[in-house]
Amino acid sequence: ELKVEQNPLFLSMQEGKNYTIYCNYSTTSDRLYWYRQDPGKSLESLFVLLSNGAVKQEGRLMASLDTKARLSTLHITAAVHDLSATYFCAVEPNTGNQFYFGTGTSLTVIP
Amino acid sequence: DAGITQSPRHKVTETGTPVTLRCHQTENHRYMYWYRQDPGHGLRLIHYSYGVKDTDKGEVSDGYSVSRSKTEDFLLTLESATSSQTSVYFCAISELRVQGPQHFGDGTRLSIL
Repeated sequence: ELKVEQNPLFLSMQEGKNYTIYCNYSTTSDRLYWYRQDPGKSLESLFVLLSNGAVKQEGRLMASLDTKARLSTLHITAAVHDLSATYFCAVEPNTGNQFYFGTGTSLTVIP
Repeated sequence: DAGITQSPRHKVTETGTPVTLRCHQTENHRYMYWYRQDPGHGLRLIHYSYGVKDTDKGEVSDGYSVSRSKTEDFLLTLESATSSQTSVYFCAISELRVQGPQHFGDGTRLSIL
């Protein structure tokens, strides 16, 4: 059974602090995606990582992919309240065309 | 934003009734997907389509059927709804078969009493 595990599941952090969300997966894949979801809303694509060592940055968020370790990270720098949301990683196995989502990390940034 | 419209946005129905959810896209993308979102499970794929009349099962397909008679429309049907199918349903589309992000609709909140 393919597993995609995110941790932490819940994260409360102060504004200005740094933190990392982890996404571990159990299949061979060099395709990983990060999404953001605000409460009651749709999912917004944040990053597309398509090779080992891929790093993408947008504003205060940076995502990376280590396919050998089967690990992706989403690093938050100097958090601000607007980053409060749920973040999902999704893995696309090399042998298929389906996405498998993690359970999500609910991030709350406290002033 | 990707042109994806889901209807209805909210629905309350009773156990045993049939329910059909519609996903309409204006992007002319070949690939379309139906997911359900439940607390503690993230999103799970129900069915997907890789072209008109071409569909396949996802990891949680039991109790659901789909149809795609036109590129722009992908229908999800619950033949006889059960309370375990209470969920938020998302439609997604993608241009590429692999290595491309999926773009999501706004979701349908379905409650089965």
